Amino acid sequence: AQSVTQLDSQVPVFEEAPVELRCNYSSSVSVYLFWYVQYPNQGLQLLLKYLSGSTLVKGINGFEAEFNKSQTSFHLRKPSVHISDTAEYFCAVSVIQGAQKLVFGQGTRLTINP
Amino acid sequence: DTGVSQDPRHKITKRGQNVTFRCDPISEHNRLYWYRQTLGQGPEFLTYFQNEAQLEKSRLLSDRFSAERPKGSFSTLEIQRTEQGDSAMYLCASSSLAGRGDEKLFFGSGTQLSVL
Repeated sequence: AQSVTQLDSQVPVFEEAPVELRCNYSSSVSVYLFWYVQYPNQGLQLLLKYLSGSTLVKGINGFEAEFNKSQTSFHLRKPSVHISDTAEYFCAVSVIQGAQKLVFGQGTRLTINP
Repeated sequence: DTGVSQDPRHKITKRGQNVTFRCDPISEHNRLYWYRQTLGQGPEFLTYFQNEAQLEKSRLLSDRFSAERPKGSFSTLEIQRTEQGDSAMYLCASSSLAGRGDEKLFFGSGTQLSVL
C-alpha cells in the first residue's frame, strides 16, 4: 500500500517570498508522483508530475518539485509567490502499473499575505 | 473542451434517504474515476470505469454505494440509506488513456453532500 504525508497543514507566507511545501511518501513499489492545486470552489488541477528521468520537475504557474528517492520526498517550491497562489495543495502518488488511482496527502493550505 | 461537469453542486438530504450524483466527463475520455473528500483530508479513491466497465472498487465503497456508466459516457453514483458519515465532497475525474504514465486526470468541481 502507498501513503503520503504532507508535513504542514498550513503555510502562511508573504507575497513575493519563496515557499516550500513538503511531501513524503511511502510505497513498496515504484510510483509516479504528483502535485495538485485546489482553488476555492474549483476542481483539482494538476501542477506537475514526476514519472521518470530528471528529478527536478517544472510545472505550471512557476512551481517546481524535486524527487528525492533516498528520502522518499517530493517537495514543491516556488521562488516568489503571488496572492493568486492562495489555495490548497495536494501531493499524491499512484503505482506505475494500471489505472491512475491516486493516493493523496492531507493537503497544505497556502496563504499569501500582502 | 468544456471540462468535467458534476451535478448537483450541493445536495442536502436527511439520514436514510437515497441520493444520486451525475458526472459528465470530457468528451471521448474513456476512463472515469470517483473520489471522496472529507473535510480536512485529501481525496480518496472510490472506483473507476474504463468505458462502461467498472474495473475496480475501493473497500470504502460499501454495499450502499453503486456506480454506473451505462454507455461509457456519463456516470452516476448512488448512495442508498444515507448516513451522516457519508457527508463529503464527491469528486469525478476523467482521462484519455494516451499511454502508460501519460494519463492526465481532469477533475470536476465536485458534489458537496450534507446528510442531516
